[in-house]
Amino acid sequence: DIQMTQSPSSLSASVGDTVTITCRASHIIKDYLNWYQQKPGEAPKLLISASSSLQGGVPPRFSGSGYGTDFTLTISSLHLEDYATYFCQQSYSGWTFGQGTKVEIK
Amino acid sequence: QLQLQESGPGLVKPSETLSLTCTVSGGSIRSHDHFWGWIRQPPGKGLELIANIYYDGTTNYNPSLISRVTISVETSKNLLSLRLSSVTAADTAVYYCARLYYNRGYFDYWGQGALVTVSS
Repeated sequence: DIQMTQSPSSLSASVGDTVTITCRASHIIKDYLNWYQQKPGEAPKLLISASSSLQGGVPPRFSGSGYGTDFTLTISSLHLEDYATYFCQQSYSGWTFGQGTKVEIK
Repeated sequence: QLQLQESGPGLVKPSETLSLTCTVSGGSIRSHDHFWGWIRQPPGKGLELIANIYYDGTTNYNPSLISRVTISVETSKNLLSLRLSSVTAADTAVYYCARLYYNRGYFDYWGQGALVTVSS
């Protein structure tokens, strides 16, 4: 099984800040890495696929990067609506999710 | 616009079988590029794939749940179903159905989720 480890588990940031979330895979997964945003009481929403491909309608302040085992999700200029929990997910071998990173208001 | 909607009992007794249905509308479950999956999320916790299925019946299961899970599709009705047997309190979760773009392995459409509580 491929394990996905996100860091940090939670963070506090202010509107306008740049936020970086890291996801590490236990094995090489090339670029088979996707990012989701989940708000309380809602289903996850796909933000980024294939490590860096932004989904339609997702604001360009969201970006992803990485290859192999180490990946990052960056939110530049945090907006109020960005306060949520973010999950990474690998699809190289099976489908497993990270434990999530909660972005809270500072 | 594709929509997915889960339905089923919100309360299941321990040792019994959890049964959920997902109705797919606005598109066909017979999509050549997509599988259809069930994902669950215990309260306050992370996401776990349970299983996924292609319209021809090809399946993939989470190894930790395979002995208790049955996933199926009814293509004539655009329905996806899940059965999870011998449930315990650890199976209490929000259960989501979702469309899986198999080539890259991402879930691009999700249902709103159905909370299932296992309790006597």
